[in-house]
Amino acid sequence: DGGITQSPKYLFRKEGQNVTLSCEQNLNHDAMYWYRQDPGQGLRLIYYSQIVNDFQKGDIAEGYSVSREKKESFPLTVTSAQKNPTAFYLCASSPRTADTQYFGPGTRLTVL
Amino acid sequence: AQSVAQPEDQVNVAEGNPLTVKCTYSVSGNPYLFWYVQYPNRGLQFLLKYITGDNLVKGSYGFEAEFNKSQTSFHLKKPSALVSDSALYFCAVRDSGNTGKLIFGQGTTLQVKP
Repeated sequence: DGGITQSPKYLFRKEGQNVTLSCEQNLNHDAMYWYRQDPGQGLRLIYYSQIVNDFQKGDIAEGYSVSREKKESFPLTVTSAQKNPTAFYLCASSPRTADTQYFGPGTRLTVL
Repeated sequence: AQSVAQPEDQVNVAEGNPLTVKCTYSVSGNPYLFWYVQYPNRGLQFLLKYITGDNLVKGSYGFEAEFNKSQTSFHLKKPSALVSDSALYFCAVRDSGNTGKLIFGQGTTLQVKP
């Protein structure tokens, strides 16, 4: 987990609210990723960014948005359009797109 | 389509015994394969990877993995299991495009009993 921080660790949201999950890295990595983890399933890619000021949709981008204004930061917003947002969210980074990804500690989001 | 399969939801071994966690893959082109471990309510920790070269890859915490091209497998192994190895293990393959995306298996829970 070292070098990649995610906050908060636990997040509770009411239906209809947008929430933003923070991901920061001090590893000077170019590439950053957001994955979603549900019980009994592998991780699924939401969004990724290969370089600052650029990002691309992953496999399950609907209902999510991101920004990459700074190299070290890649926040994820879960919008009210996401129909089933309760999940464990993991941020990862790698020096370049083709390198090994290193993961943050995760944020567990629960919709009440 | 590229995919990864972990055929066992759970593997149970006794402490001190060898362990194997199975992974098979389907990719176009050369596979780039990874193993990660996850402890409860934690992020994933990188264990090892295969890019090219020797089919036996050594990683962290005494783990190793054997790449077998003909069987399209990348099984994780350890000669002597520890209770502290109990965790959720994920196999992943890098997508063949330029996204860097990892395609994960569904995970295997390893339970090591004293």
